[in-house]
Amino acid sequence: AQKITQTQPGMFVQEKEAVTLDCTYDTSDPSYGLFWYKQPSSGEMIFLIYQGSYDQQNATEGRYSLNFQKARKSANLVISASQLGDSAMYFCAMREDYTGANSKLTFGKGITLSVRP
Amino acid sequence: NAGVMQNPRHLVRRRGQEARLRCSPMKGHSHVYWYRQLPEEGLKFMVYLQKENIIDESGMPKERFSAEFPKEGPSILRIQQVVRGDSAAYFCASSPGPYTEAFFGQGTRLTVV
Repeated sequence: AQKITQTQPGMFVQEKEAVTLDCTYDTSDPSYGLFWYKQPSSGEMIFLIYQGSYDQQNATEGRYSLNFQKARKSANLVISASQLGDSAMYFCAMREDYTGANSKLTFGKGITLSVRP
Repeated sequence: NAGVMQNPRHLVRRRGQEARLRCSPMKGHSHVYWYRQLPEEGLKFMVYLQKENIIDESGMPKERFSAEFPKEGPSILRIQQVVRGDSAAYFCASSPGPYTEAFFGQGTRLTVV
């Protein structure tokens, strides 16, 4: 089974509206971390937000929030008040914290978001 | 405090040549990770190194690929006898230790012609 699943086709959102990007994950490790990265057309990987498996509250960073539903193994990214500069690929990633796992990340295939003016 | 520096940003090699990709981690970071991103795909882990040691190379192809992180100088990802299928973006990330957030460089885009 895939560890990180991002199955949405290309997403479109109107400027200033909110959008949710889906991510489901699969792990048997009780301790793990979930990440979202943005990759604009220029190609760099920009860290957006992190959620630890034991965190009691959903993570928030400015206009980004993570809707973490542990029982469903989902970690959806919510972007509020979309801006034109939010148009990019978005990747969900997981780090499993079992002994020896180090900090390597497993990435999903990504979702393309286009913000319409 | 400079971020993770990768060079070159773009590299073109003919089939059969060698490609050397460099990664200078952030100051104070002694852990380096290499990832490969094929077109239209997510990043795939290749190798994890600490200074002078390869810790996890479970994602490295068995042949033609090697990585090092010497005591002094940048980490190097080396691809010998490149083929068209090696064309990809190669990202380096560094962290101060295990189980801590890793910061990514801007990537090296390798094109094999």
